[in-house]
Amino acid sequence: NAGVTQTPKFRILKIGQSMTLQCTQDMNHNYMYWYRQDPGMGLKLIYYSVGAGITDKGEVPNGYNVSRSTTEDFPLRLELAAPSQTSVYFCASRGGSRAYEQYFGPGTRLTVT
Amino acid sequence: QKEVEQNSGPLSVPEGAIASLNCTYSDRVSQSFFWYRQYSGKSPELIMSIYSNGDKEDGRFTAQLNKASQYVSLLIRDSQPSDSATYLCAVNMGAGGFKTIFGAGTRLFVKA
Repeated sequence: NAGVTQTPKFRILKIGQSMTLQCTQDMNHNYMYWYRQDPGMGLKLIYYSVGAGITDKGEVPNGYNVSRSTTEDFPLRLELAAPSQTSVYFCASRGGSRAYEQYFGPGTRLTVT
Repeated sequence: QKEVEQNSGPLSVPEGAIASLNCTYSDRVSQSFFWYRQYSGKSPELIMSIYSNGDKEDGRFTAQLNKASQYVSLLIRDSQPSDSATYLCAVNMGAGGFKTIFGAGTRLFVKA
């Protein structure tokens, strides 16, 4: 049971490039989340999903896209990377009940130069 | 108004003292509240959850919830240097609780 895994761990992008951050969970959780964390700040919700085929915007969705074709995977797509997207990105998953806590992946550190 | 607000600190307490961390939230129908601890360069880890008004104790940690005041707090008794970290308040927003929003976090320093 690996929990929540994220790839890559680190990435440097040039301005205008695109990339996909991968997130996979093996706990059969319905809910999955993407957050970004800027230095010294809390977590900002980018997108979330309550099940395969269902996604919704969070607090800071601009510049990102997501899809959820399976229960296990929830990739985050960055189109036209900008320096403002330099951050640490965390993926998390949760069981279906509102009372359940989140389990986090190890994070992806992204730098856009 | 931010959905979840915390005093960003830093909060500095001597070893053995009680550390008190506070959090307020905007959505009064929210039902589930969590405290996570995050060490520098690591992922957040859950330390407490609370769903009902009142106090919930787990070892040296006590979570307090007041839904009427939309206020959640975390007390850490007998603070240790290993408690030095950022503490994040999280709320499963709304009646459905689908969306989990975090506060900005409070940095805690425990001085030996």
